[in-house]
Amino acid sequence: GNSVTQMEGPVTLSEEAFLTINCTYTATGYPSLFWYVQYPGEGLQLLLKATKADDKGSNKGFEATYRKETTSFHLEKGSVQVSDSAVYFCALSDDKIIFGKGTRLHILP
Amino acid sequence: GAVVSQHPSRVICKSGTSVKIECRSLDFQATTMFWYRQFPKQSLMLMATSNEGSKATYEQGVEKDKFLINHASLTLSTLTVTSAHPEDSSFYICSARDPTGEGTEAFFGQGTRLTVV
Repeated sequence: GNSVTQMEGPVTLSEEAFLTINCTYTATGYPSLFWYVQYPGEGLQLLLKATKADDKGSNKGFEATYRKETTSFHLEKGSVQVSDSAVYFCALSDDKIIFGKGTRLHILP
Repeated sequence: GAVVSQHPSRVICKSGTSVKIECRSLDFQATTMFWYRQFPKQSLMLMATSNEGSKATYEQGVEKDKFLINHASLTLSTLTVTSAHPEDSSFYICSARDPTGEGTEAFFGQGTRLTVV
């Protein structure tokens, strides 16, 4: 069946550092791919999405490119801020949405 | 984006009682809603898919008699945790897709923190 694998956390970075959170997927068809963010005590918010191969999703300085050849959707940001501290989930969508286990990100001032 | 509202945000109940959690799509009609349970180490587990006007589809290992799902209208799905026990304590999250939207993403409720004492 479909699955999502993302890098284990926690990830701790200093402010203004470059961020990469790896995500790979297994799917039989051509799913849409997403990154969701969860702040403490809250539900999930959609951060960005890509619906087909080579699409790049972007939002709030975050980017991820749908790579069909490597079945990946890595999340990147050039310069992180303390306010980016949260848990990030990679997900794919076909008839239902499947999540990775989440990566906790800590940004130090 | 579309708005999904979940209620209550926190609930504490005694062991053996039942608790109902509501999930509403506020500005769209959702034929399908999803219920997730989030464990302490972050992972989000899909429990069931709720279909308006029909029975829910439960994931393997989820007790359908324990977690009753009702999707009586296009804007409301409910999850009832029956005869709750301390091991049912968790963070429950619902989501819904907007069928008229451009993408296939789901919109999430704020979550419900259930504590069974």
